[in-house]
Amino acid sequence: QSVLTQPPSASGTPGQRVTISCSGSSSNIGSNYVYWYQQLPGTAPKLLIYRNNQRPSGVPDRFSGSKSGTSASLAISGLRSEDEADYYCAAWDDTLGWVFGGGTKLTVL
Amino acid sequence: QLQLQESGPGLVKPSETLSLTCTVSGGSISSSSYYWGWIRQPPGKGLEWIGSIYYSGSTYYNPSLKSRVTISVDTSKNQFSLKLSSVTAADTAVYYCASQEYSGYDCDAFDIWGQGTMVTVSS
Repeated sequence: QSVLTQPPSASGTPGQRVTISCSGSSSNIGSNYVYWYQQLPGTAPKLLIYRNNQRPSGVPDRFSGSKSGTSASLAISGLRSEDEADYYCAAWDDTLGWVFGGGTKLTVL
Repeated sequence: QLQLQESGPGLVKPSETLSLTCTVSGGSISSSSYYWGWIRQPPGKGLEWIGSIYYSGSTYYNPSLKSRVTISVDTSKNQFSLKLSSVTAADTAVYYCASQEYSGYDCDAFDIWGQGTMVTVSS
């Protein structure tokens, strides 16, 4: 059971906007930054969003992050087939260290 | 641009010690701007942080693994290493090394990752 809670799956059609949620507590999301990763099949995770809503160089602006209280969300607009992947949220927990969500498998229909 | 590469045995026997090395290229492991971390992912499952180290040797570990984990740094070889003792089948996973940007106050999560190495625990 992961410290951060994500829905196991999400889906959308090309061009749609989808959101993936990440729920935590006051000791992690509530008091620290949230990070998002994209993991394509058979590859290492790639940093998608850092410090709640910042995009690393090279990440399209179709990807955006937000945080409110003890929850965070990743939004993907203009969905593309190449966005089909697993998505993970992460945060520092004041007791447990770095914690991850269980991951959300995004399917592009 | 930083690049990280894991290396080590792909098969470890139960009760033995898993040992992996991460070689850093494109930058110095002695940089004050980074921490260096290990993360693992069991087959078909999610990510689990193992621990992180600074070039000075300062470490912090996942409390659930702390009793079995040692992470060390070799600045002369631009490498850092992971040792996990008393392994069981539950330690079978892809092991990743990664860099973490450090501002001197805040340490960010993992930005640059190695490609990962599969380690199977089996007799």
